[in-house]
Amino acid sequence: AQTVTQSQPEMSVQEAETVTLSCTYDTSESNYYLFWYKQPPSRQMILVIRQEAYKQQNATENRFSVNFQKAAKSFSLKISDSQLGDTAMYFCAFMKTGSARQLTFGSGTQLTVLP
Amino acid sequence: NAGVTQTPKFRVLKTGQSMTLLCAQDMNHEYMYWYRQDPGMGLRLIHYSVGEGTTAKGEVPDGYNVSRLKKQNFLLGLESAAPSQTSVYFCASSRSGQETQYFGPGTRLLVL
Repeated sequence: AQTVTQSQPEMSVQEAETVTLSCTYDTSESNYYLFWYKQPPSRQMILVIRQEAYKQQNATENRFSVNFQKAAKSFSLKISDSQLGDTAMYFCAFMKTGSARQLTFGSGTQLTVLP
Repeated sequence: NAGVTQTPKFRVLKTGQSMTLLCAQDMNHEYMYWYRQDPGMGLRLIHYSVGEGTTAKGEVPDGYNVSRLKKQNFLLGLESAAPSQTSVYFCASSRSGQETQYFGPGTRLLVL
């Protein structure tokens, strides 16, 4: 079974600054996907970024980027130029390839962007 | 295009009552999922379906049943609600062969 660990329950950052959220995972699979989801106070789950394990290049989506270290089983999210709208709970999630595509989530990091 | 919708948005039940949560998607997705989210925890998979007429158990299936009679709908049933089932329930769907899951807005359930 896979496990996903987010060791930072809460973090804060000043507006316009950069913040990095940590995530580690444990798996014996070689092919999988990793995701970061954002959950604002509205509770809607929003996909922020995803990474295919077979790709060495780190994924980037505008102000969001990841540092994927496959050997270390680490998948951190960097948010640049933080905005007030980035305030949310952030979940790291793992999906092994194959049938059903089930997601395994970490416990989340509550990020607060301070004005 | 409504995406994934969930009915109801909020419900209060008494212990022992039954209810059904409805998930509907208009994206013609093959796969559908039910998750629950409890305080301090990430989402956990309850049941999922890879196609019409098929369902399978996830990580926390006890106390729940599901049905997928139509491709666009995925029902989650609680036959005899318990306080431990107080949670926020999320439905999600995805296309076969695609890894991105699209989530509904959630249903908050309180069991007294």
